[in-house]
Amino acid sequence: GENVEQHPSTLSVQEGDSAVIKCTYSDSASNYFPWYKQELGKRPQLIIDIRSNVGEKKDQRIAVTLNKTAKHFSLHITETQPEDSAVYFCAARTSNYGGSQGNLIFGKGTKLSVKP
Amino acid sequence: GAGVSQSPRYKVTKRGQDVALRCDPISGHVSLYWYRQALGQGPEFLTYFNYEAQQDKSGLPNDRFSAERPEGSISTLTIQRTEQRDSAMYRCASSSRASSRGRETQYFGPGTRLLVL
Repeated sequence: GENVEQHPSTLSVQEGDSAVIKCTYSDSASNYFPWYKQELGKRPQLIIDIRSNVGEKKDQRIAVTLNKTAKHFSLHITETQPEDSAVYFCAARTSNYGGSQGNLIFGKGTKLSVKP
Repeated sequence: GAGVSQSPRYKVTKRGQDVALRCDPISGHVSLYWYRQALGQGPEFLTYFNYEAQQDKSGLPNDRFSAERPEGSISTLTIQRTEQRDSAMYRCASSSRASSRGRETQYFGPGTRLLVL
């Protein structure tokens, strides 16, 4: 089955700097890759996602890149702010063309700390 | 509109008791997923439904765990004869369409924190 590895597990940056979180996946049939932000004590919230037919997607300070050949995707946050501090999870959607949908497989998370 | 809701938010039970956790998806959402999230870890898939049909239950740890969604809306995750290792946050998520290529956004509920003593 699908396996998702996420690095680093913790990341500390200075306010204004960029942050990059990387994930690799194992199932070449996976075709959907969301990123979730989870603040302490709250539910995971989708911040951006990318589908396998594109290589990059941007939304203001957040961007995601996908390299299907290498089976890795990355989250880029520019001009970080203290409110970006949270745990970020990547995920990959398995794809079962036999009829049933695939479920999300999550990475173990990256705790991002942005210091003012 | 209202998001995904879950009840109870907290459940403390004694080992050996059965518990039922409820999920109310976003109105009209076709797909409903159950996950378990240990502290400091990512959500771990348990099972999911399209409408009332359980599509995949491969993530359920053992036969003490079961789930249903009889009318294609509210879902219940039941854990029988609870054990201390069942203690975790149980989250559900819903998405708006049953895509044949599995490309939909999942919206998570607040979770039920289960503690088995």
